Amino acid sequence: NAGVTQTPKFQVLKTGQSMTLQCAQDMNHNSMYWYRQDPGMGLRLIYYSASEGTTDKGEVPNGYNVSRLNKREFSLRLESAAPSQTSVYFCASTPGPQNTEAFFGQGTRLTVV
Amino acid sequence: DQQVKQNSPSLSVQEGRISILNCDYTNSMFDYFLWYKKYPAEGPTFLISISSIKDKNEDGRFTVFLNKSAKHLSLHIVPSQPGDSAVYFCAASNSGAGSYQLTFGKGTKLSVIP
Repeated sequence: NAGVTQTPKFQVLKTGQSMTLQCAQDMNHNSMYWYRQDPGMGLRLIYYSASEGTTDKGEVPNGYNVSRLNKREFSLRLESAAPSQTSVYFCASTPGPQNTEAFFGQGTRLTVV
Repeated sequence: DQQVKQNSPSLSVQEGRISILNCDYTNSMFDYFLWYKKYPAEGPTFLISISSIKDKNEDGRFTVFLNKSAKHLSLHIVPSQPGDSAVYFCAASNSGAGSYQLTFGKGTKLSVIP
């Protein structure tokens, strides 16, 4: 049982390049989330998808887009990467609202140079 | 404006003693609180939670206390073990707003010394 799987684990981008971070969960969860974690900061919510077919902005959505491809998969896209987007990105899923245990992926460490 | 604050960036405790991690919040609409534990190069894992209708929740060595009037919660680990060394995040949500948004504190790094 893999849980939440993120790809890639590491990525280096040049400023202005684009890329998509992939996330898949095999727990049949309805809700999925993308967070970023910066040094000395807690996790900040970028976007979430309460259920298949819906997406909503979180605390820090600027510079990102998301797609809930199906119930299992939720991708995060950086259209034109900036150094300020250097961070560790975590995908998470929950059966429903977040007042239940969330399961996190192992993270993607992204560096934009 | 930080709505969830963990004012101690780090804490060192001897093995076998009690670890107490603190968290304060400012948003009175928060009614559900969770603690997550994070090891380096891994994603956070859920540890324990508490609803605002309770003032204590216990799970094995871990107990969370909630003081609503003070807007304060604490995580007690007894006895502390070296494997507990990790970063601990406090998080809060407002179930009335749909609970899809968790607000995290900045974390406290716990070091348990053998």
